[in-house]
Amino acid sequence: GENVEQHPSTLSVQEGDSAVIKCTYSDSASNYFPWYKQELGKRPQLIIDIRSNVGEKKDQRIAVTLNKTAKHFSLHITETQPEDSAVYFCAASDFSGTYKYIFGTGTRLKVLA
Amino acid sequence: GAVVSQHPSWVICKSGTSVKIECRSLDFQATTMFWYRQFPKQSLMLMATSNEGSKATYEQGVEKDKFLINHASLTLSTLTVTSAHPEDSSFYICSAIRTDTETQYFGPGTRLLVL
Repeated sequence: GENVEQHPSTLSVQEGDSAVIKCTYSDSASNYFPWYKQELGKRPQLIIDIRSNVGEKKDQRIAVTLNKTAKHFSLHITETQPEDSAVYFCAASDFSGTYKYIFGTGTRLKVLA
Repeated sequence: GAVVSQHPSWVICKSGTSVKIECRSLDFQATTMFWYRQFPKQSLMLMATSNEGSKATYEQGVEKDKFLINHASLTLSTLTVTSAHPEDSSFYICSAIRTDTETQYFGPGTRLLVL
């Protein structure tokens, strides 16, 4: 079945450094890749997304890259701040009519002040 | 942005009772909603797809008779955990698809504790 692998499971960086989280998906029909940030006890919040017709997308300190051939996509956070500390989830969807998302296992990011 | 609400936010109940959780899309219509379960320090596990006006589609391993889903209108889906047991204790999150943007928006979640 469909599967999304996410690495690393935990990531600690110094404030101001960059953080990179990587995901690999298995379903070649996937064409939409959102990233969510979830703080403890709260709902996941969409932070950025990318569609399969685009290789890279940037929004201020956050960027996502997509390699459809390799079925990889990555989240890049630059100039990290303590408030970036949270759990980040990637997801893949094929928007075939079901809109079903397959989520990665999550990455716990800690930004050390 | 799109708003999805969930009620209640917290439930504590005795083993054997049934619990109903509501998910509402407040400022858009959602023909499709999803129900997830999230255990501590784990990812969101999709339980079922709730379709307005038709039966829900359950993921493999999810008991449809235990987790009853009703999507009675374009803005409301309900999840009823029947005969809840301690192992059903979890964080239940719904989401709704806003079709014009094809984006999934999450509710705030319901924390269920079964004693």
